[in-house]
Amino acid sequence: SQQGEEDPQALSIQEGENATMNCSYKTSINNLQWYRQNSGRGLVHLILIRSNEREKHSGRLRVTLDTSKKSSSLLITASRAADTASYFCATGETSGSRLTFGEGTQLTVNP
Amino acid sequence: KAGVTQTPRYLIKTRGQQVTLSCSPISGHRSVSWYQQTPGQGLQFLFEYFSETQRNKGNFPGRFSGRQFSNSRSEMNVSTLELGDSALYLCASSLVGQKQETQYFGPGTRLLVL
Repeated sequence: SQQGEEDPQALSIQEGENATMNCSYKTSINNLQWYRQNSGRGLVHLILIRSNEREKHSGRLRVTLDTSKKSSSLLITASRAADTASYFCATGETSGSRLTFGEGTQLTVNP
Repeated sequence: KAGVTQTPRYLIKTRGQQVTLSCSPISGHRSVSWYQQTPGQGLQFLFEYFSETQRNKGNFPGRFSGRQFSNSRSEMNVSTLELGDSALYLCASSLVGQKQETQYFGPGTRLLVL
């Protein structure tokens, strides 16, 4: 079963707009990671945020983490058609390296 | 540095057969994890290997097994295949599999069971 739930399940926007995806989880975590997947291919790691961090940036990506609400958000600014993909959040356990994935958000960026 | 590689990329089997999938981690990485991705269940953790030992295991039946070799390459085996085993199987590698390490995923092996 999945730990996380992602919202929305699907998002369609125009190029240049910002895209925000949310992730909620249920148990205590050590870290939360976001991955991108293009058309059923492998997962590409985007960003990792530790449980003691609240916000992290990487290029056009901004991730926030609220451990009190057990939620995270991924913001992609100035989106491009190439950002079209499925985005997954994954929580890392307090011990070990097992990742528990959310259900994913399918993002479509229209040119 | 070469990424994680998985072979074969595509596989078609029939019910009752068995299958072996292979994963070569990034050079220097010693932890390899396997995940199954299906439309219904999403991405689910199968198991993790480190230094040739299974260190962590998900909630899958005993038909799913794996191993790791001294060069950190890993194989997973599924015996007595069922239709529900049709999925994308992904492996991921990391340096030592510690909790805050980034895991790097391979392109996956797509298995279709007929």
